[in-house]
Amino acid sequence: GESVGLHLPTLSVQEGDNSIINCAYSNSASDYFIWYKQESGKGPQFIIDIRSNMDKRQGQRVTVLLNKTVKHLSLQIAATQPGDSAVYFCAENPALGGQNFVFGPGTRLSVLP
Amino acid sequence: NAGVMQNPRHLVRRRGQEARLRCSPMKGHSHVYWYRQLPEEGLKFMVYLQKENIIDESGMPKERFSAEFPKEGPSILRIQQVVRGDSAAYFCASSQQGREETQYFGPGTRLLVL
Repeated sequence: GESVGLHLPTLSVQEGDNSIINCAYSNSASDYFIWYKQESGKGPQFIIDIRSNMDKRQGQRVTVLLNKTVKHLSLQIAATQPGDSAVYFCAENPALGGQNFVFGPGTRLSVLP
Repeated sequence: NAGVMQNPRHLVRRRGQEARLRCSPMKGHSHVYWYRQLPEEGLKFMVYLQKENIIDESGMPKERFSAEFPKEGPSILRIQQVVRGDSAAYFCASSQQGREETQYFGPGTRLLVL
């Protein structure tokens, strides 16, 4: 069954505000995590990744935080823009060798004008 | 700098027909993955292939579905005798190394079975 899940299925934020999308995972052996963005009618687009030897990683306007103690992953988007409206998926890869990525069900982010 | 290519982008089939979905990985990538996505749901792993080899097909239905990645040409996901429940978006991803590495996705093929 699924080992990756999200707390909020939808999230609405005001343009210019910061967004935080959360993800819980249950496999404590997972050592690699990716956030993908999927716009309507398109394939998932890689945003940012993080390995378990880190607890924070920053990209352009995005930050991923990893809390291994509570098995929680979050994606923070600074100064959210209309173009950020999409469904965001987290994916985990168990460090057991030969395992596939497991994707969460996704969170829809809606940016309000 | 071509990414993962998939075709067709949209495919309509009647029940009982065959569907063939094609995927060309990113240049330099020899690992291909197929996923299925139902509306408003996440991605479900189907199969993982390297050139001429199926590495993991644990997510593939036992009947009617098959996949290949020949030495030359694209990877193909084949669905025989399609049923309405096969209607979904099928995404292909590729990676340079194995599945512990980042996977990059194509635009998907949206299959509609009438």
